[in-house]
Amino acid sequence: EPEVTQTPSHQVTQMGQEVILRCVPISNHLYFYWYRQILGQKVEFLVSFYNNEISEKSEIFDDQFSVERPDGSNFTLKIRSTKLEDSAMYFCASSGPTVSNQPQHFGDGTRLSIL
Amino acid sequence: DAKTTQPTSMDCAEGRAANLPCNHSTISGNEYVYWYRQIHSQGPQYIIHGLKNNETNEMASLIITEDRKSSTLILPHATLRDTAVYYCIVRVSREYGNKLVFGAGTILRVKS
Repeated sequence: EPEVTQTPSHQVTQMGQEVILRCVPISNHLYFYWYRQILGQKVEFLVSFYNNEISEKSEIFDDQFSVERPDGSNFTLKIRSTKLEDSAMYFCASSGPTVSNQPQHFGDGTRLSIL
Repeated sequence: DAKTTQPTSMDCAEGRAANLPCNHSTISGNEYVYWYRQIHSQGPQYIIHGLKNNETNEMASLIITEDRKSSTLILPHATLRDTAVYYCIVRVSREYGNKLVFGAGTILRVKS
């Protein structure tokens, strides 16, 4: 069964450094998402992306965050200058190929630890 | 999107059916009911979804009441591996911005 893959599984970064989290969505999906989960808290929506544009973003997704689909297979989340409070699990999801009621499928996440 | 209410936790004996309720009394006509689960710290796993009719797949069954104000997820023969947090999410299907809003969910503990 096709799945969403995320790399790395664990990323440790110094505060203030840039970090890029990578995702390979399911191949025929057209809608892409990032969510995060701070330890012990709920899963929170960050951003959705379609047709090379952000279609919706939450208030968490400020100017320090950006997303990109650099090629036909990868979908990345960049945090420009990391803060301690960015430490969390980051989940990528994809859905499609049509929008309708297609469910989102999630990867197993990247654990980001900011020191 | 409509708000959902789920019990905080439930226990189920291994091999028995697990019935997880969800209340969504403010659901509107074009909102779907989705169920996901999260095992330990893994990514949320899609289980099933429906609009009006009951649905069944290889993982579970979804029973939606006729007035659509509540639903029940049924795992027919729960195993220890079904121990997880189960999320009931109600969501309109839009052309864009189909974000999922996760609540606290129900912690299901399957016991031997």
